[in-house]
Amino acid sequence: NAGVTQTPKFQVLKTGQSMTLQCAQDMNHEYMSWYRQDPGMGLRLIHYSVGAGITDQGEVPNGYNVSRSTTEDFPLRLLSAAPSQTSVYFCASSYSGELVYEQYFGPGTRLTVT
Amino acid sequence: EDQVTQSPEALRLQEGESSSLNCSYTVSGLRGLFWYRQDPGKGPEFLFTLYSAGEEKEKERLKATLTKKESFLHITAPKPEDSATYLCAVQAASGAGSYQLTFGKGTKLSVIP
Repeated sequence: NAGVTQTPKFQVLKTGQSMTLQCAQDMNHEYMSWYRQDPGMGLRLIHYSVGAGITDQGEVPNGYNVSRSTTEDFPLRLLSAAPSQTSVYFCASSYSGELVYEQYFGPGTRLTVT
Repeated sequence: EDQVTQSPEALRLQEGESSSLNCSYTVSGLRGLFWYRQDPGKGPEFLFTLYSAGEEKEKERLKATLTKKESFLHITAPKPEDSATYLCAVQAASGAGSYQLTFGKGTKLSVIP
């Protein structure tokens, strides 16, 4: 099992550019989520999905889009990058059969927007 | 609104010096409280889930306990390899918070040889 994988590990964007952060898991988890982690702020939820075709917003969704066409993949799209989106992004997944989300995290993508 | 407050923000211990980390929470009904460990440059690593007051779980030198308002992570005779940031998170039993975890800002633990 590879667990949760994220690509790329590092990315530098210019303001206004768009990109997609990739996330995949091989544990057949129904629940997947995206967080950003900023110094002094802790982990904040961007978007989450409880299954293929179902997504919803978290605490800080503005400027980000998600889709979930398969159980395995949950990409995060930055529509028009802004310096405020400079952060470390983590994808996580969880078995959701008993509605307790013990989430397993990927290694993260460090994004810098200049 | 669900809230999680961790204290202290940072803790330095001598090797072998036991201590506790605190996680205070406010949630409209608790479905689960989670502890994670995060090493620099890595994603959080799952440690424990606690479900109800009075519950305890142990793993090596770590022991997590839960009351109705807070959780403690006790570290017994820590070693330098226990140095990391420890994160606490809660999941509500109902409402919007039941589909997500709310994290605290973490406690950065440094264990000095």
